[in-house]
Amino acid sequence: GQQLNQSPQSMFIQEGEDVSMNCTSSSIFNTWLWYKQDPGEGPVLLIALYKAGELTSNGRLTAQFGITRKDSFLNISASIPSDVGIYFCAGFWETSGSRLTFGEGTQLTVNP
Amino acid sequence: DTAVSQTPKYLVTQMGNDKSIKCEQNLGHDTMYWYKQDSKKFLKIMFSYNNKELIINETVPNRFSPKSPDKAHLNLHINSLELGDSAVYFCASSLQGYGYTFGSGTRLTVV
Repeated sequence: GQQLNQSPQSMFIQEGEDVSMNCTSSSIFNTWLWYKQDPGEGPVLLIALYKAGELTSNGRLTAQFGITRKDSFLNISASIPSDVGIYFCAGFWETSGSRLTFGEGTQLTVNP
Repeated sequence: DTAVSQTPKYLVTQMGNDKSIKCEQNLGHDTMYWYKQDSKKFLKIMFSYNNKELIINETVPNRFSPKSPDKAHLNLHINSLELGDSAVYFCASSLQGYGYTFGSGTRLTVV
């Protein structure tokens, strides 16, 4: 079956450090989305990627849609305490229609 | 205005009861979804409706029945609740797959 793997599962960093997390898929994705979930809230869209090779920034966040269409990464530069939360990659496989598939999430902890 | 709102936010109920969760979106989206987030934070789709028509129905027990009275509403009814149904349930909406927006979740606890 199709698989979507996200790593790392968790990260503990100091304020000011840069962070990188990535996702790899067993099949081609049409779209990659990166979400952040705060405690007690729903996932909030951070960045959407629609084309292979696309590199998009949103403030201190940068994400890329891999050339093979099977991977994506999210970088956070100069982390701050409010970056704490769970980050999810998600996307649509070519054959999945509007069924959004999520990675397992990366739990980020930022120590002041 | 909240884009995707679901009620209640918390629901504690006994095994065997029947309960409903309601969802409304004011984004003008044409597709609505129910997701389940388990204790390990894994998000998995349950159902999807497009213009009131069921288009995604994952392997979910028959005790779960979605109902979409119109494009802006998608409710989830659960019969004969079991302990394993305890989770956070998220409603979401999109416009032809774009602008995927989630509600803030309903934490269901079955005791």
